Amino acid sequence: QKEVEQNSGPLSVPEGAIASLNCTYSDRVSQSFFWYRQYSGKSPELIMSIYSNGDKEDGRFTAQLNKASQYVSLLIRDSQPSDSATYLCAVFSSGAGSYQLTFGKGTKLSVIP
Amino acid sequence: DVKVTQSSRYLVKRTGEKVFLECVQDMDHENMFWYRQDPGLGLRLIYFSYDVKMKEKGDIPEGYSVSREKKERFSLILESASTNQTSMYLCATREVNTEAFFGQGTRLTVV
Repeated sequence: QKEVEQNSGPLSVPEGAIASLNCTYSDRVSQSFFWYRQYSGKSPELIMSIYSNGDKEDGRFTAQLNKASQYVSLLIRDSQPSDSATYLCAVFSSGAGSYQLTFGKGTKLSVIP
Repeated sequence: DVKVTQSSRYLVKRTGEKVFLECVQDMDHENMFWYRQDPGLGLRLIYFSYDVKMKEKGDIPEGYSVSREKKERFSLILESASTNQTSMYLCATREVNTEAFFGQGTRLTVV
């Protein structure tokens, strides 16, 4: 069974600080990596996708992927109270006719005004 | 924009009832997924489908079945609902090498 692990949290940061969210995965042939944000009672919405090693930046968000270490992270710069949510790491793997999109349990982030 | 529509936002069913949860997508995506989400357990994959009439079991398929007769529609069936199937159910759709898009979720309560 493919596994995706996230730091348990909850994570509290002051407004304006950098929030760092981490994720490790067990399947070495994983191909695509995603970060989703989920507000309470709502469905997940995509924040970032990353497919190759290195950094990918989009506004205040930076995703980092290291396939050798099986590690993916999300940095949120200048954190805002509206960033308070649960962040889900997701990993997609395919092969031999099988497709799996596996999620971590999520890290709850609180940004304190 | 991709639109993924789940048939109900809230649903209350009795133990032993057969329950159908419907999911429809408008983007001609091949891959569709059903998850359930419970506090402390995260999203757990029940079933997924990579093409019409094709399905694969996920991590927790027991007590569930699925149907995909048309590309745009993926149905989750609870053959005989039980109280431990009370949960938030989320449908997702995905094209190859893209992100997954979620429906709004169905909060099912089995009494």
